[in-house]
Amino acid sequence: SAVISQKPSRDICQRGTSLTIQCQVDSQVTMMFWYRQQPGQSLTLIATANQGSEATYESGFVIDKFPISRPNLTFSTLTVSNMSPEDSSIYLCSVVAGETQYFGPGTRLLVL
Amino acid sequence: LAKTTQPISMDSYEGQEVNITCSHNNIATNDYITWYQQFPSQGPRFIIQGYKTKVTNEVASLFIPADRKSSTLSLPRVSLSDTAVYYCLVGDNGYSGGGADGLTFGKGTHLIIQP
Repeated sequence: SAVISQKPSRDICQRGTSLTIQCQVDSQVTMMFWYRQQPGQSLTLIATANQGSEATYESGFVIDKFPISRPNLTFSTLTVSNMSPEDSSIYLCSVVAGETQYFGPGTRLLVL
Repeated sequence: LAKTTQPISMDSYEGQEVNITCSHNNIATNDYITWYQQFPSQGPRFIIQGYKTKVTNEVASLFIPADRKSSTLSLPRVSLSDTAVYYCLVGDNGYSGGGADGLTFGKGTHLIIQP
């Protein structure tokens, strides 16, 4: 199994600013992902965080808006840049341990 | 990618057995079937995973017919705390990743348990 923590758990931000979300895992994992879940909606994959190389982004998500770092096998950050109210969402970190996918508790972001 | 179809919502009562069926007509030979549970303000939690026939753990059972075009998550004797959204996912690596192997979370099934 894997235990995932995220910081911050929630935040309220002003439009035009940026927020960096941290994801920490209690064990080394190869596969790490970032998701977004908008209010009342399902999860959407933003990108795969690759250790030692650039993240792989899904259609509709770009590095300039959602830069991702993955310095080692237990940690990653997602930055939401130049935020607008449309970025208000829950952002979730996820990892694969064994052959099971685990999710963090999420970071609830409100952009005013 | 195999697409899944689930009921949008279901209601049941405490103590009852609940069965949620997921259709995945285009499932591929290498695909696994995985179910997640999500409570409000929490990340999804892995419930159970299977490839064929029946899988049982301490939380649920997963029934998969021979053609694998559907699967049924069975929750025995539900309680109020089982009220959540349940997601069915299908993919060849058993987890949701990007690219060609990526899985998509559908809308899930909102299960409401009443006293």
